[in-house]
Order: sequence, then C-alpha cells, then structure tokens
Amino acid sequence: AQSVTQLDSQVPVFEEAPVELRCNYSSSVSVYLFWYVQYPNQGLQLLLKYLSGSTLVKGINGFEAEFNKSQTSFHLRKPSVHISDTAEYFCAVSIGTSGTYKYIFGTGTRLKVLA
Amino acid sequence: GAVVSQHPSRVICKSGTSVKIECRSLDFQATTMFWYRQFPKKSLMLMATSNEGSKATYEQGVEKDKFLINHASLTLSTLTVTSAHPEDSSFYICSATSAEREGFYNEQFFGPGTRLTVL
Repeated sequence: AQSVTQLDSQVPVFEEAPVELRCNYSSSVSVYLFWYVQYPNQGLQLLLKYLSGSTLVKGINGFEAEFNKSQTSFHLRKPSVHISDTAEYFCAVSIGTSGTYKYIFGTGTRLKVLA
Repeated sequence: GAVVSQHPSRVICKSGTSVKIECRSLDFQATTMFWYRQFPKKSLMLMATSNEGSKATYEQGVEKDKFLINHASLTLSTLTVTSAHPEDSSFYICSATSAEREGFYNEQFFGPGTRLTVL
C-alpha cells in the first residue's frame, strides 16, 4: 500500500537559520510529488512539485526539494527561514491510474520560526 | 494558475439542520473534484471523489447518506452535510483537477476551505 511519512510533527528553528522538512513515501508505481503550505484557517497553497525531469525542484518563497528515488524521499529545504514561514507543511503523493488519481497526504509538519 | 473557490468560508448551524457547501473551479473545467475533511492540527482526510455527471466515490468509513456530494457541472460540486451534529464540526476543503487539460499532470487545486461549526 502507498503511504507518505513526515517524521517530524514539529520543527522549531530560529529566524535566518536553514531548515529541512522530511518526507518519505512508499509506492510501487511512479508518483508525482507535492509540497503544500497551510496557514491557519486557510486552504493549501502549492510550494512546489516534482513531475519528472530534474530531481531538484525550486518553488515559491525560496523553498526547494530534491526527489531521491533510491531513498524514496522528497525533503523540503530552505536556506534561511523567516518568521512568516511559520505554518503547517504537507507532503503529498499523487498516485493512481489514468483518470483515477488521488492524493495521499503526510501527517504534516508544523514549522515554527523563532525570533 | 487554476483557481478554486468555496462558499461559504464559515458557517454556524444548529444541530439537526443541513448545510450545503459549494466548490467552484473558476477558470477551468474540473472533470474531478475531491472533498476533504481536516480536524484541528491534523492532516487532510479524503472523504470522496466526484466526477462530473456520475455518482461520487466515497472513502471507507464515510457515510454516504450523511455527506451528500453532487457534481452537476464541470465547474461546480456541492457537499451537503445532512442532519448535522456537533461531531460534524470541522474544516472542509475541496479540490479540483482536470484530466483533459494539458499540463495539469493530475495536480489538485485547492479551495480556501469552509469552517463548519454545529451548535
């Protein structure tokens, strides 16, 4: 069965420090990978996505992620965080066959940026 | 980009009443829409998948008669919570995608969510 694991439920980090949010998935088929950010009482905003091609993906707000097929990982990184990056981050995998794709979400990681 | 709206953003209702939430794709035709439920500080739980013109496919454990989903057009899906009770209070999020639009790559586009509070 396919699954997505976000090992860290909370990650505190000081402002201007680097951060890595981890995401591992299990799937026997090709997947599309996504990172979303959610601010309180809001919907999900796409940060970046891996569909194919280059394994290093750059997204909005200075975030990037690297797809590692051998380790089945898609970790999210930012070299220098801001207070405004405090939010919930979700990793998602889109799986399925033609016409019936679904997302599997990780449990989320709460990033708290400290002043 | 692709924009999805939800209405209302917040709703408070009395126990026993029914509440309808609308999800609209504003700039594309959504062949498939999804409904999620999110509990506080939790991840999104997929409730059902709906394809335009056909019955919704519900996830295991989701009551079909409780959560009625209608996808009557390529731009509108509705979720009706029937005879709502306090335990139905939650954050409901819809998403939409199009298998026919090149470049969407099975990506889902999310609405802003609806906060339902049942008193």
